[in-house]
Amino acid sequence: AQKITQTQPGMFVQEKEAVTLDCTYDTSDPSYGLFWYKQPSSGEMIFLIYQGSYDQQNATEGRYSLNFQKARKSANLVISASQLGDSAMYFCAMSPGGSQGNLIFGKGTKLSVKP
Amino acid sequence: NAGVTQTPKFQVLKTGQSMTLQCAQDMNHNSMYWYRQDPGMGLRLIYYSASEGTTDKGEVPNGYNVSRLNKREFSLRLESAAPSQTSVYFCASSDLTSTTYEQYFGPGTRLTVT
Repeated sequence: AQKITQTQPGMFVQEKEAVTLDCTYDTSDPSYGLFWYKQPSSGEMIFLIYQGSYDQQNATEGRYSLNFQKARKSANLVISASQLGDSAMYFCAMSPGGSQGNLIFGKGTKLSVKP
Repeated sequence: NAGVTQTPKFQVLKTGQSMTLQCAQDMNHNSMYWYRQDPGMGLRLIYYSASEGTTDKGEVPNGYNVSRLNKREFSLRLESAAPSQTSVYFCASSDLTSTTYEQYFGPGTRLTVT
């Protein structure tokens, strides 16, 4: 079965520190994409970062990086230098190969940044 | 560019009533999607349309129908609303020719069925 697991319902981090949000996935497809989305309290879904299964290097986008460990089937999000505005729900998602872009989401992690 | 727009933003229905959620995108994307988000859950796919003229069921299609009216518009219909359909509904679109398949989401419709 294709599945995304996020084991941390909630996380706290001190402002300006780094934080890692965990994500593991399950798929038998050799080709897939991994995504992270941010959902602030206002409710919109904001795309953060993408990693393809064949990408050799970990994806980075500004303060966001994706720690991709293919053998362990993990795709953890690392946020460096946390800011108060990073407080939000974070969802890991997967697009299995041949799915025509359909996303399978995890249940999310609520990140709270403390001043 | 407005991106992905959804109407209405909020709706309250009584059990058994029907309604249509509207979605439009102005990014010339081929693919469009409808998701629902329940409390404490991630988004789950209801229906998708890979291209104009095609629609397919996702993970939770029961109780819903969709119409891909044209390349821009993709509507979701509840024929006979049930309390279990109380949720936040998101429409999304993507360009499957891009390298990332990134999906762009609308602001969501918060639906309550009493």
